[in-house]
Amino acid sequence: SQQGEEDPQALSIQEGENATMNCSYKTSINNLQWYRQNSGRGLVHLILIRSNEREKHSGRLRVTLDTSKKSSSLLITASRAADTASYFCATAYTGGFKTIFGAGTRLFVKA
Amino acid sequence: DTEVTQTPKHLVMGMTNKKSLKCEQHMGHRAMYWYKQKAKKPPELMFVYSYEKLSINESVPSRFSPECPNSSLLNLHLHALQPEDSALYLCASTPVGANNVLTFGAGSRLTVL
Repeated sequence: SQQGEEDPQALSIQEGENATMNCSYKTSINNLQWYRQNSGRGLVHLILIRSNEREKHSGRLRVTLDTSKKSSSLLITASRAADTASYFCATAYTGGFKTIFGAGTRLFVKA
Repeated sequence: DTEVTQTPKHLVMGMTNKKSLKCEQHMGHRAMYWYKQKAKKPPELMFVYSYEKLSINESVPSRFSPECPNSSLLNLHLHALQPEDSALYLCASTPVGANNVLTFGAGSRLTVL
């Protein structure tokens, strides 16, 4: 399967703490993206990192990519209760339209 | 308009029914996707249309029949479904060649009785 693994599967933290989620994938990629999903609704794109980039920031989000280890991490700093959601990494493969999602991390931020 | 609109939001159907899910976008995106998502699982790719032509079919059973009548619309026709087909069906779109950043609709939750 091209799908990667994400860990942890679930994460429960207090408001104000940082949350880190990890993603691994199996084949060469064009880019890696992170998406958020609230309560079984549609997914929302958060951030994209290209295969030639190592780190990217967007607001309270920080994404790293290690192509040698085929892994990525998403850090959410100063978490809020509103960050409670499922987070998925997704990998896009060169030359095609295939975007494949990892297993996801369910984040619960307690107020 | 930066939205993907899916209808209906909820659908309950019997195993002998024929129904359709609809998806519409007016962002000028020329690639459109159907994903299926079971509870607590990631979305699974079903079909991709590029310039209104089917470019990817992930070995989906023929009881699911996609259709892309024009660049703004994507349908998923459902016939003789099984209870295990109950899931959230997500439509998404991307501009062609734009890093495959997907814009998703809110989904259609399908229950097969």
